[in-house]
Amino acid sequence: EAGVVQSPRYKIIEKKQPVAFWCNPISGHNTLYWYLQNLGQGPELLIRYENEEAVDDSQLPKDRFSAERLKGVDSTLKIQPAELGDSAVYLCASSLGDPFQKDTQYFGPGTRLTVL
Amino acid sequence: GEDVEQSLFLSVREGDSSVINCTYTDSSSTYLYWYKQEPGAGLQLLTYIFSNMDMKQDQRLTVLLNKKDKHLSLRIADTQTGDSAIYFCAETGTYKYIFGTGTRLKVLA
Repeated sequence: EAGVVQSPRYKIIEKKQPVAFWCNPISGHNTLYWYLQNLGQGPELLIRYENEEAVDDSQLPKDRFSAERLKGVDSTLKIQPAELGDSAVYLCASSLGDPFQKDTQYFGPGTRLTVL
Repeated sequence: GEDVEQSLFLSVREGDSSVINCTYTDSSSTYLYWYKQEPGAGLQLLTYIFSNMDMKQDQRLTVLLNKKDKHLSLRIADTQTGDSAIYFCAETGTYKYIFGTGTRLKVLA
C-alpha cells in the first residue's frame, strides 16, 4: 500500500515569491494534516481536514498561508508571498479519523522549503 | 502551555541499550506515540502505548509509561548503527498531536 505522497521534495525560491506544496494521503484516510517542522524542533500542526472541511486551522497564518482539499482526497498548501522565516520542512500526514479508536497519523517525507 | 520535553542528544555504543525520555503535559492523552525521523525523511511510527498501560514491549523496543509523573520512555535493546536518528514522542488529545523537540540518537560503532 502506498504511503503519504508529497511533492516536491525540495523547493528553493526567493522571498516574496509564491510556493505550493501537494499531498496525497493514504487511500481511505479521511483526515489530513499539514505540519510545519523547523530545524531542530518537532512538527507543529498548521491545519487539519476532515474530508474536505478544515476543522482546525487555528495555527495557520492566514495572511499568507492557504490550504485546500477540494474533493476530500489530495490537498495543496500555499504560501504567498513567502518570507525568509518560512524556510522549514512542511509535512503532510493522514489518518483514518476515528475519534473513538487509536487514530494513528502516518507521515509523508515532507517538502523542504528554502527561501532566499 | 503545551510543552512536551525531551533531552536533545543521546550517544550510545553499538550493542548497548538506549533509553530516550519524554515528559508530557496532557494527562488526558489517550495514546502516546514514538516516532523516528531519519535525515531527509518524514516521521516513521515506531510504537505507541495506550494510557491505561504502564509497559509495552515490541521486539527490541520497550515503552514505559508513568502517568503519575507524566513520564514516557523508549528503550531500544541492542542498539544498532541503523537506529541513529531523531526520536520524537507525541502526546494526543482528540485528533491533536503535540510533539516533543526530538532526541538525536547517535550510535557509535
